[in-house]
Amino acid sequence: DTAVSQTPKYLVTQMGNDKSIKCEQNLGHDTMYWYKQDSKKFLKIMFSYNNKELIINETVPNRFSPKSPDKAHLNLHINSLELGDSAVYFCASSQEGQGYSGELFFGEGSRLTVL
Amino acid sequence: RKEVEQDPGPFNVPEGATVAFNCTYSNSASQSFFWYRQDCRKEPKLLMSVYSSGNEDGRFTAQLNRASQYISLLIRDSKLSDSATYLCVVISNTGGFKTIFGAGTRLFVKA
Repeated sequence: DTAVSQTPKYLVTQMGNDKSIKCEQNLGHDTMYWYKQDSKKFLKIMFSYNNKELIINETVPNRFSPKSPDKAHLNLHINSLELGDSAVYFCASSQEGQGYSGELFFGEGSRLTVL
Repeated sequence: RKEVEQDPGPFNVPEGATVAFNCTYSNSASQSFFWYRQDCRKEPKLLMSVYSSGNEDGRFTAQLNRASQYISLLIRDSKLSDSATYLCVVISNTGGFKTIFGAGTRLFVKA
C-alpha cells in the first residue's frame, strides 16, 4: 500500500509538448511538495502546498504550474517542455507542526526525458 | 554560500571500514536535522534524525554541533549494502517551514 504514489514513472516527450505528473498521498499529511533532481543529483524544492494552499514557489519558470485539488493530491503540469526540464521529479509529503518531526515521505519519482 | 553543504565524495571504502560524513548549514535558526539515504534510481528515505545529544542506531551515529552549525554521520563496520548517497537535510522555520537538502555524499563500499 504505497504511501506517496506518483504517475507516470517514466515520461519521454518532445520539446514544446505539455505534460502532467500526478501525485497522491494516503498518509493524511497536510503538506505536499514537488522536488526536482537533475543529472548532478541535486535535489531542489520547486513547490510546497499546505492544505491546498501554495506555500513555497522557488523561482520556478511559469511553465510549471502545480495544482492541488485537495490536500491528498498535488499535480504538476509543465507547458512548452525544454531540454533542461529533463530530470527526475519527486513528490513528497510531510506533517508539520508541534510534535511532528517534519520527515518527508517521497514518491518513487517520475523520470522525465525531453528530446 | 549554499544553505547546506556536503562533501560530494565519492567515498570508496572497503567492507568493515569506518567512514564519516560532514555537513554544514548556514541558517543558525535551523530547527531540525536529518540524514536521508538515497539508493541509485530510488527515492530518498529517512535514515535518522540528528540531535545535539547525538543519535545512535546500530552502526550509524549522527551528531549535531549547533555552535559550529555542523552535522556528522558516522558509519561503523561498513557493509556492501551501505553503498548509497547520503543526504544532509535541514529544516528551518524562518519565513515559513522550509526543508533544505544538501547535494549528497556518495559512498561506495567494496568487498
